[in-house]
Amino acid sequence: EPEVTQTPSHQVTQMGQEVILRCVPISNHLYFYWYRQILGQKVEFLVSFYNNEISEKSEIFDDQFSVERPDGSNFTLKIRSTKLEDSAMYFCASRPRQGARETQYFGPGTRLLVL
Amino acid sequence: GNSVTQMEGPVTLSEEAFLTINCTYTATGYPSLFWYVQYPGEGLQLLLKATKADDKGSNKGFEATYRKETTSFHLEKGSVQVSDSAVYFCALGIQGAQKLVFGQGTRLTINP
Repeated sequence: EPEVTQTPSHQVTQMGQEVILRCVPISNHLYFYWYRQILGQKVEFLVSFYNNEISEKSEIFDDQFSVERPDGSNFTLKIRSTKLEDSAMYFCASRPRQGARETQYFGPGTRLLVL
Repeated sequence: GNSVTQMEGPVTLSEEAFLTINCTYTATGYPSLFWYVQYPGEGLQLLLKATKADDKGSNKGFEATYRKETTSFHLEKGSVQVSDSAVYFCALGIQGAQKLVFGQGTRLTINP
């Protein structure tokens, strides 16, 4: 069964460094998402991406964040200058079609620790 | 706004016990409702969903009914197994919006 994959599974970085989190969505899916979960808190939406552009973003997704689909298979989240409060589990998701009824399929997550 | 409230965890039960995890929501429009499960070391997996009022979603012995009158989507299972130990997330999707809105998750531990 096709699945969303994410790399790396864990990343440790120093405050102020740039990180790139990578995701490979399911191959025939058209809508892509990033969520994060700070330890002990809710899973929070960051951004959605369709047709090579951001379709929706949350207030968390400020200028320090960017997303890209560089080659038609990978979907990346870049944090330009990490802060301590960026430490979280980051989940990528994808779905084939638009619509609230459509299931989003999640990857296993990347645990980011900013020191 | 749109929000989901789940019962506080952690929940610890013995094998073969009856499980209920409460989920209530606030939403504009007509949401779709989902239960996701996260097993240790894995990502979020869809457990079941319901897309309109009175729909019942079911999978792996779990059930949840979309109750518009009580704005609820409680997860139930008649006889839990040790392998059901995981974190369970209730979530809603709103037509016209991209994102899922999640509850805080409920950690379930089943003891043999």
